[in-house]
Amino acid sequence: QVQLQESGPGLVKPSETLSLTCTVSGGSISGYYWSWIRQPPGKGLEWIGYIYYNGNTNYNPSLESRVTISVDTSKNQFSLKLTSVTAADTAVYYCARHDGRAQDYWGQGTLVTVSS
Amino acid sequence: QSALTQPPSASGSPGQSVTISCTGTSSDVGGYNYVSWYQQHPGKAPKVMIYEVSKRPSGVPDRFSGSKSGNTASLTVSGLQAEDEADYYCSSYAGITHVVFGGGTKLTVL
Repeated sequence: QVQLQESGPGLVKPSETLSLTCTVSGGSISGYYWSWIRQPPGKGLEWIGYIYYNGNTNYNPSLESRVTISVDTSKNQFSLKLTSVTAADTAVYYCARHDGRAQDYWGQGTLVTVSS
Repeated sequence: QSALTQPPSASGSPGQSVTISCTGTSSDVGGYNYVSWYQQHPGKAPKVMIYEVSKRPSGVPDRFSGSKSGNTASLTVSGLQAEDEADYYCSSYAGITHVVFGGGTKLTVL
């Protein structure tokens, strides 16, 4: 059974960089797209972007200037960096596997709060 | 404002059927058969219930069904049960934008 686990700081200061890692277990990172999706408190889901196992990326145009997603196949991990954060970036951040049709496996999510 | 439009709420009594709509454009819902639906219980991660408009992953009850007409996709939950009470999100492939979500619909079982 594929499992995903997000890790990283739960508190980030305004204007700094948010960094999260997702560790994949129970399956290989090869052959799939790997997504980051976020959900502000009490609001809906927002797709941030995804990376193919070979390193090709696609980002939400509204976030593209601030987002970098990378993959480390040797560690079965992929990561998110979001620069110049503001309070509007406070959200639960989910990592998920996209099998070409839908997000079929999700992490439990991690709350990241942007505050000084 | 979300890219796909869903009603904020829907409701039905146990045993009844309820349909949730998801309206997009010819650049997303209408242009591709890659509409998926996710169920999210409070404090939990979303779970895929429907993919490619009408296909159910293994383990999803056949009470859940999906369809599409033009730029509008729909999720129907038949034989409503208490455990179906949750938020539901539609999602579509959107070409250059890749993935878009709806704003979500809170389903209440009366």
